[in-house]
Amino acid sequence: RKEVEQDPGPFNVPEGATVAFNCTYSNSASQSFFWYRQDCRKEPKLLMSVYSSGNEDGRFTAQLNRASQYISLLIRDSKLSDSATYLCVVTLLNTGFQKLVFGTGTRLLVSP
Amino acid sequence: DVKVTQSSRYLVKRTGEKVFLECVQDMDHENMFWYRQDPGLGLRLIYFSYDVKMKEKGDIPEGYSVSREKKERFSLILESASTNQTSMYLCASTEQLNSPLHFGNGTRLTVT
Repeated sequence: RKEVEQDPGPFNVPEGATVAFNCTYSNSASQSFFWYRQDCRKEPKLLMSVYSSGNEDGRFTAQLNRASQYISLLIRDSKLSDSATYLCVVTLLNTGFQKLVFGTGTRLLVSP
Repeated sequence: DVKVTQSSRYLVKRTGEKVFLECVQDMDHENMFWYRQDPGLGLRLIYFSYDVKMKEKGDIPEGYSVSREKKERFSLILESASTNQTSMYLCASTEQLNSPLHFGNGTRLTVT
């Protein structure tokens, strides 16, 4: 089983739609969680950290479910500019170092 | 704002050449990373460094080496480039290992 798994998509949604992605992780000792956004042929950029209590930033809401070992990202009122690949990142302690593990990403396409 | 700069955006090298990829960060971060990103495989960690002259192997170190002589600079070396090292290479840095990564804009390397 992969350490971090994401549905690759693509998720095709119209402008204004609400869309949600999940990311499952296999190691229950995972400690920190993030969502990154990556545009085509560009570097990943931090979208938001995911806290145990959940967090919201404008149209974006991230949640953590430790019992079921997944994190989620909800995007409301989708914009054309939200089209990108969304990567989840999970950290866990490994041989004394924090190891960051990236999912392979979920592609979102928002159409007019 | 953190700036991570990679020396080349695009690079074309021949099989067997020694290749140097340079990365510089301006935020005095102790931790620096080299990843490669390939379609369907996501980001895979090659090497990371948590201090000057310190390095740790990541998940796919074979065929690569690194150098960290100064805190701000982390170099990735392909000792003898091969076609299977054609990829997008991403450098990143972070202040603490459970904090988000800041990425450079990537080097797209083609080995012919």
